This record gives sequence, structure tokens and C-alpha cells, in this order.
Amino acid sequence: AQSVTQLDSHVSVSEGTPVLLRCNYSSSYSPSLFWYVQHPNKGLQLLLKYTSAATLVKGINGFEAEFKKSETSFHLTKPSAHMSDAAEYFCVVAIAQGAQKLVFGQGTRLTINP
Amino acid sequence: DGGITQSPKYLFRKEGQNVTLSCEQNLNHDAMYWYRQDPGQGLRLIYYSQIVNDFQKGDIAEGYSVSREKKESFPLTVTSAQKNPTAFYLCAVRDRYNSPLHFGNGTRLTVT
Repeated sequence: AQSVTQLDSHVSVSEGTPVLLRCNYSSSYSPSLFWYVQHPNKGLQLLLKYTSAATLVKGINGFEAEFKKSETSFHLTKPSAHMSDAAEYFCVVAIAQGAQKLVFGQGTRLTINP
Repeated sequence: DGGITQSPKYLFRKEGQNVTLSCEQNLNHDAMYWYRQDPGQGLRLIYYSQIVNDFQKGDIAEGYSVSREKKESFPLTVTSAQKNPTAFYLCAVRDRYNSPLHFGNGTRLTVT
């Protein structure tokens, strides 16, 4: 069955240090993958998407993610954390070719320490 | 997302009452979705619609109903049959297969 696993429920980093949020997926097809960010009491905002083009995907606010088929991973990174990055992050996979349904990870809460 | 409007932002109801959450979009996208979010959990799909006058149940449709009479609108009714209705409800739209979802800002429903 198709699924997505975010390996950390909570990540805490200091301002100015790198951020790594981990996501593994399971899919029978070449998947479409997305990362979203959610600030408190807000909707989800798209950070970046992978749809079988370049494996290194650049997104907004300095975030990027690398699709690694051999490791079935799509980890989100940022070289230097900013206080405004504190939020909940969701990894999402389209479960099949042409799928209308998407599968969400459980989310990773990112805390930034001053 | 400016093109998707959910209203109201906060909604309070007494147990046993039906309540309807509004979702309107001006992005001209065909597909619309309703998700439920509970604290510490990911999003769970309630209903989705790919075209006017057609919709499908998601993973947790029991106790909810929807309609899609216009392309721009996809209201969600939380009925008295929904056992735990208090949650954050998110509406989303999508223009084609494998494209990302675009979300509204959500409605927080509290039932007491």
C-alpha cells in the first residue's frame, strides 16, 4: 500500500543552523511528492513539488528537497534556519498515477531556538 | 491562498445541530477537497469532487455530507451523526492530476 512516513514528529534547531526534515514514501508508481508548511491556525502552503523532473527540487523560502528513488526518500533541507521557519511541515505523496487522492504524513513540528 | 475562501474562520455549535462550512474558489479548478485535521495528526480526507454534480467519499465520510452544484463552491455539512465534530477543517482545490493542492485558511469548528 502507498504510504508516507515522516521520521521525526518534532525537530528543534538553533537559528542559523541547517534544517533536515525526513520523509520516506512507498509507492507502486513513480510518485509525485510535495512538501507543505502550516503555521498555527492557517491552511497549508506549498513549499515545493517533485513530479519526475530534476531530482533536486528548489522551493520557496530557501528550502529544497532531493528525491532519492533508491532510498524512497524525499527529505526537506534548508542551509540556515530562520525564526520564521517555526511551523508544522507535511510530506505528501500522490498514491498512484493520475491519482485524485493524496496521502499525508503525520507532520513534523519544527522549533527554532534563538 | 487568496483564491480559496473558507468561512467562517471560527464556528461554534451545540451538540445535535447540523452546521455547514463554506468553501468558495475563483481559481477555476475542477477538483475540490475537504480535509479534517486534529491536533498532532495529519490531514484526513472527508470528501472530494472532480466535477460539478459529482463527489466521492474519502476516508472519513461518515457523519458528513457535501454538494457540488457550482464549480466555484463545495460546502461541507457536519451532521449530528458525526460523533467527534470538533476539529480544524480545510478545503483545497487542484487543477489536474499530480498537481499540488492549494488550501484555504480553514474553519475551526467547536461543538459543545
